[in-house]
Amino acid sequence: GEDVEQSLFLSVREGDSSVINCTYTDSSSTYLYWYKQEPGAGLQLLTYIFSNMDMKQDQRLTVLLNKKDKHLSLRIADTQTGDSAIYFCADEAAGNKLTFGGGTRVLVKP
Amino acid sequence: DTGVSQDPRHKITKRGQNVTFRCDPISEHNRLYWYRQTLGQGPEFLTYFQNEAQLEKSRLLSDRFSAERPKGSFSTLEIQRTEQGDSAMYLCASSAPTAGETQYFGPGTRLLVL
Repeated sequence: GEDVEQSLFLSVREGDSSVINCTYTDSSSTYLYWYKQEPGAGLQLLTYIFSNMDMKQDQRLTVLLNKKDKHLSLRIADTQTGDSAIYFCADEAAGNKLTFGGGTRVLVKP
Repeated sequence: DTGVSQDPRHKITKRGQNVTFRCDPISEHNRLYWYRQTLGQGPEFLTYFQNEAQLEKSRLLSDRFSAERPKGSFSTLEIQRTEQGDSAMYLCASSAPTAGETQYFGPGTRLLVL
C-alpha cells in the first residue's frame, strides 16, 4: 500500500526558515497536502500542490515537489512561535482518501 | 459557514459500551470522510461517503464499527462493544468538487476507553 514518511522533529529559532521534508511511494498521487495540527485540535489545511507542479508559493509557505524522487518539502519563512505545531504531509490516492505521514513536530525557540 | 463540526469533543466510556459520534460537514460538501488518529501517529482513513452512499471502507473498520450518512448531510460513526484499543481521536472531514475535493477537517472527537 501507499506509504508516507516524515522526520519526527525539527527545532528552529524564531525568524529563521523551517524546512519539513516528506517522502511518499504512490506514483499515482494527484495532489499532495500539508496540514498543521496544534495540541488537542483537528487538522488545519495549510497548502497543497498538484502533482504536475514543481513549486507553489503561498505567503510564507513554499512547497517543493520532486516527483521523480517522490519528495515533498514545506518551507516556512520567518518562522514564528505560533508556527510551533505538528505538520503532516498527505498524499491523495484514488478515491480521494488521504494517506498521512507520521507528522513532524516543529518547535520554534525564541 | 463555520466549518466541519463534531460532537461530542470528548468521550470517556467503559470497555464493552457502545458509543456514537456525529459529524456535520460544511454545507453542500457532498463527500464526508472519517479518519482515526492514535497518539503520536498520523490520521488513518476509515471510510468515506459521497452523498448518502458509503463508497469505501478501510480494513481498519472492523465489524464493530458502522458509519451512516442517511440524508447525505450529517454522518454518525458508531463503535459497538468498545475496546481499549479503540481509544483515539476520530476525525471527520468533508470536501466538494467545487473546492477541488480538498478535505477540510473538524476538531475531532477524542475517545478514551477505560
